[in-house]
Amino acid sequence: GAVVSQHPSWVICKSGTSVKIECRSLDFQATTMFWYRQFPKQSLMLMATSNEGSKATYEQGVEKDKFLINHASLTLSTLTVTSAHPEDSSFYICSARDAGGSGELFFGEGSRLTVL
Amino acid sequence: AQSVTQLGSHVSVSEGALVLLRCNYSSSVPPYLFWYVQYPNQGLQLLLKYTSAATLVKGINGFEAEFKKSETSFHLTKPSAHMSDAAEYFCAVSDGGATNKLIFGTGTLLAVQP
Repeated sequence: GAVVSQHPSWVICKSGTSVKIECRSLDFQATTMFWYRQFPKQSLMLMATSNEGSKATYEQGVEKDKFLINHASLTLSTLTVTSAHPEDSSFYICSARDAGGSGELFFGEGSRLTVL
Repeated sequence: AQSVTQLGSHVSVSEGALVLLRCNYSSSVPPYLFWYVQYPNQGLQLLLKYTSAATLVKGINGFEAEFKKSETSFHLTKPSAHMSDAAEYFCAVSDGGATNKLIFGTGTLLAVQP
């Protein structure tokens, strides 16, 4: 099946720094990508919908200035956690929709962020 | 608005026993329904999906689910559990529209006892 790659798979940073997470569709084009956040032993919470070439659409309660999303190409979306704090520590998962195929969503392996 | 409810955050079965994970949905439009599996510290893998075709959907690894509109349910089953089935399972719903956003349930952790 199609592959979505996230990088880094885990990152530890100091409070106040910014962290960028990349989501790449390796063998298909994705006009739409989604970013989810998952707390330990909880479900995935949709943060935002990322559309190639336009501004992301954020879900209610998600700070757009805190979680910057860029979808500059059909194969890459990035999530930047700005001025990270310990409460931002979480598992972040992206998914990408295959624009040319069935429209099926494929998920990345996730990125675990730990803010000290 | 769409939502899914997964009854039972933890389910434990013996190896070889029937697996039944429950999911009920709420949707104002004909839903698209999905079951995903997540192994520790990994992303999600699609097990199966319902997109308004056959109501009994067969997926990977021997799993299947039946869409029952009258009960607004989409329960996941497997006749005989394997140790490798131990994982977190998520039911999800979307409207199948342009945005195709997935709304996830709270998940069910399946434990398989030897």
